[in-house]
Amino acid sequence: NAGVMQNPRHLVRRRGQEARLRCSPMKGHSHVYWYRQLPEEGLKFMVYLQKENIIDESGMPKERFSAEFPKEGPSILRIQQVVRGDSAAYFCASSPIGTGGYGYTFGSGTRLTVV
Amino acid sequence: TQLLEQSPQFLSIQEGENLTVYCNSSSVFSSLQWYRQEPGEGPVLLVTVVTGGEVKKLKRLTFQFGDARKDSSLHITAAQPGDTGLYLCAGEGETSGSRLTFGEGTQLTVNP
Repeated sequence: NAGVMQNPRHLVRRRGQEARLRCSPMKGHSHVYWYRQLPEEGLKFMVYLQKENIIDESGMPKERFSAEFPKEGPSILRIQQVVRGDSAAYFCASSPIGTGGYGYTFGSGTRLTVV
Repeated sequence: TQLLEQSPQFLSIQEGENLTVYCNSSSVFSSLQWYRQEPGEGPVLLVTVVTGGEVKKLKRLTFQFGDARKDSSLHITAAQPGDTGLYLCAGEGETSGSRLTFGEGTQLTVNP
């Protein structure tokens, strides 16, 4: 039973390009969460999704960032026109129910470097 | 905005010593979780506590949730080099839905 799968593990983009980060939740988990970890900072919530629905996007920057979790396939975090400040580790987590009482399973993350 | 303050930020001890890491807030949490993160990897869940006053033990690790559900502690007995890592507390607010608020973490180094 594979855990949360994120790819790519490392992504290098030039300023102005687009970055697409993928996350496949654990089998049986229908709730997906994205967090960002900036250098020397803690993990910050970005967005919470269920299949085909965005439940809470209060942590998403208003521009250039979007997320989806389609009926089929992985969840995608998309960053358009990347800037150097977007360089960070992006983690995806999943859970079987929409509450932390059960705990979350995190992926190994995607490390985005903008050059 | 809910904040979780972890202390100490860094801790370096000798093998066999005991240690306690604290996680404090002025906000009430419906659940609090402890994770451990290795370099280059994602956080791994250690424990979830949901009831005020709850104590959970995981081998040499003891986790406690404060009576008012605003604070938590992690105590490690007879630390071993394999315990080295970044320990993170994370709280789920009563009104924040599934959104976790993370502390800044405690970097623990256990020297042989």
